[in-house]
Amino acid sequence: AQRVTQPEKLLSVFKGAPVELKCNYSYSGSPELFWYVQYSRQRLQLLLRHISRESIKGFTADLNKGETSFHLKKPFAQEEDSAMYYCALRRGTASKLTFGTGTRLQVTL
Amino acid sequence: GAGVSQSPSNKVTEKGKDVELRCDPISGHTALYWYRQSLGQGLEFLIYFQGNSAPDKSGLPSDRFSAERTGGSVSTLTIQRTQQEDSAVYLCASSLVGGGAAGELFFGEGSRLTVL
Repeated sequence: AQRVTQPEKLLSVFKGAPVELKCNYSYSGSPELFWYVQYSRQRLQLLLRHISRESIKGFTADLNKGETSFHLKKPFAQEEDSAMYYCALRRGTASKLTFGTGTRLQVTL
Repeated sequence: GAGVSQSPSNKVTEKGKDVELRCDPISGHTALYWYRQSLGQGLEFLIYFQGNSAPDKSGLPSDRFSAERTGGSVSTLTIQRTQQEDSAVYLCASSLVGGGAAGELFFGEGSRLTVL
């Protein structure tokens, strides 16, 4: 069975500080990993996916198969980064997305 | 429409009543998903449709829950004999075939269900 674990329910950081949102997964095959974000009063939306190896809004995430992790990082947090972040895993292109319980990021001045 | 549309946006019902939640996916998206979002529980998968068939309905919590999709488009999630623990936000998402290489799901705004 596949599982996604986000150990932190809430992460509070100061503006300009580095951010790391943790995500660990359990799956025996080669998963596809994603980060989704939900800003206040907005729909849940894709932030980034591991296969693209892209940086979106300054965020990056590297898939570490040895540690089965896909942590989301940003060197300098901004107020507009405050949101709910969900890590998600998919086994293959025609299957469901399994989400973690989410981490609320709060960026304060 | 421009995005995934869900109705009603809010539903308050009494325990024991049946409710129907509707999802209108993005035109051309063959895959459709239902999730349940509860406080502290994250996003709980309910069912996945590919076209009109449901290859994965493993997340439906009980036989009180059912879903159908017709014409490869609109989907309805039905909850019979609602219980207070069914209170949650029910999210619908759609994507291209199985999400494709990009894997992006497009979500609706959700239907908030409150069972009194």
